[in-house]
Amino acid sequence: AQTVTQSQPEMSVQEAETVTLSCTYDTSESNYYLFWYKQPPSRQMILVIRQEAYKQQNATENRFSVNFQKAAKSFSLKISDSQLGDTAMYFCAFMIYSGAGSYQLTFGKGTKLSVIP
Amino acid sequence: AAGVIQSPRHLIKEKRETATLKCYPIPRHDTVYWYQQGPGQDPQFLISFYEKMQSDKGSIPDRFSAQQFSDYHSELNMSSLELGDSALYFCASSLGLLLAGDHNEQFFGPGTRLTVL
Repeated sequence: AQTVTQSQPEMSVQEAETVTLSCTYDTSESNYYLFWYKQPPSRQMILVIRQEAYKQQNATENRFSVNFQKAAKSFSLKISDSQLGDTAMYFCAFMIYSGAGSYQLTFGKGTKLSVIP
Repeated sequence: AAGVIQSPRHLIKEKRETATLKCYPIPRHDTVYWYQQGPGQDPQFLISFYEKMQSDKGSIPDRFSAQQFSDYHSELNMSSLELGDSALYFCASSLGLLLAGDHNEQFFGPGTRLTVL
């Protein structure tokens, strides 16, 4: 079974500053995918960034980037130039192919990020 | 771009009643997933379908059933509702059969907020 651990239940950052959210996972699988999802107060689940385990290069999406350390099973999210709209719950998620056209997605408990004006 | 559509967005039921939640996936997506998110919790996987067949099963109560139809929309049927069933129910969709350049991430709908009184 796969487990995802987010050790920071809550974090805060000043507007325009940089913040890093931590995530570790445990798996015996070799082929998997990692994601960060954002859930703002509207509770919509929004995909922020993805990383394939076989890729060594860290994924980036505008102000969002990841630090993927496969050996350490670590997948942190860095948000640069934080904006008020970044205030949300952030979920780290691990995904493997479970067969028959379906992928199994396991979430961490989440980190509640508050961006302070 | 088209997103996952869920209906209704809000639903209030009494204990022991039944409820039906509907999900319309993104065009071309042939895999549908259902998740349950309780207050302050991470989303928990319930069940998934690929090409109208059940492909994976999570922590779905026996009182719940689901199916995927020929147009790929899915319905989650919940019977003998209990107070503990009050939650946000997400549907997500993805591509099950990947072609070159396709990605397998799950895109979430806005959710159906179910309140059981």
